[in-house]
Amino acid sequence: EVKLVESGGGLVQPGGSLRLSCVASGFIFSNYEINWVRQAPGKGLEWVSHITRSGRAIYYADSVKGRFTISRDNAKNSLYLQMNSLRVEDTAVYYCARVNAYWSTYDYWGQGTLVTVSS
Amino acid sequence: QSALTQPASVSGFPGQSITISCTGSSSDVGGYNSVSWYQQHPGKAPNVMIYDVNNRPSGVPHRFSGSKSGNTASLTISGLQTEDEADYYCSSYTSTNVLFGGGTKLTVL
Repeated sequence: EVKLVESGGGLVQPGGSLRLSCVASGFIFSNYEINWVRQAPGKGLEWVSHITRSGRAIYYADSVKGRFTISRDNAKNSLYLQMNSLRVEDTAVYYCARVNAYWSTYDYWGQGTLVTVSS
Repeated sequence: QSALTQPASVSGFPGQSITISCTGSSSDVGGYNSVSWYQQHPGKAPNVMIYDVNNRPSGVPHRFSGSKSGNTASLTISGLQTEDEADYYCSSYTSTNVLFGGGTKLTVL
């Protein structure tokens, strides 16, 4: 069974940092591109970042560029999101989502981890 | 880039058909056949219902269908059922960028 489990969310003050993790199981992690997608409370989905299978190519939404860093450790079946200089508007549930190998879509999502940025 | 444009809400009675539109530009929806539709129930993660404009993953009921004309994609649900009540999001995917629509709340009356 394919599973993605996020962790690392919590309450942080504006300007602070947080590191999210996403542990994968049930598939060969290194064969798939993975994205981070977030959803502010009561709002829609927003793409955050994309990393290729090897980790050599990385892309970010303009809203997080320069502040967030995506990375992966294929040996640990894990994806990470280092979030620095956090802002109130970064408050959201953060999902990791697997990109299907053949279709241009997310075929599996984690349950999400809530990040709250507040003083 | 701006989010894709969806109606905020649609509604229908059980058994009826509804269509949700998703309007973008020639740089996203109109330029790529990588439009997906996701269903999200409250407190749950999204779930893909349609991918690559008009393809259904296994397990998705046949009453869900997708199409595209120019810069506008559409999701049609035929024979509405109560369990279809949820939020629906379109997306346009490229390997370097993903755009989502603002979401449409479907109410089954």
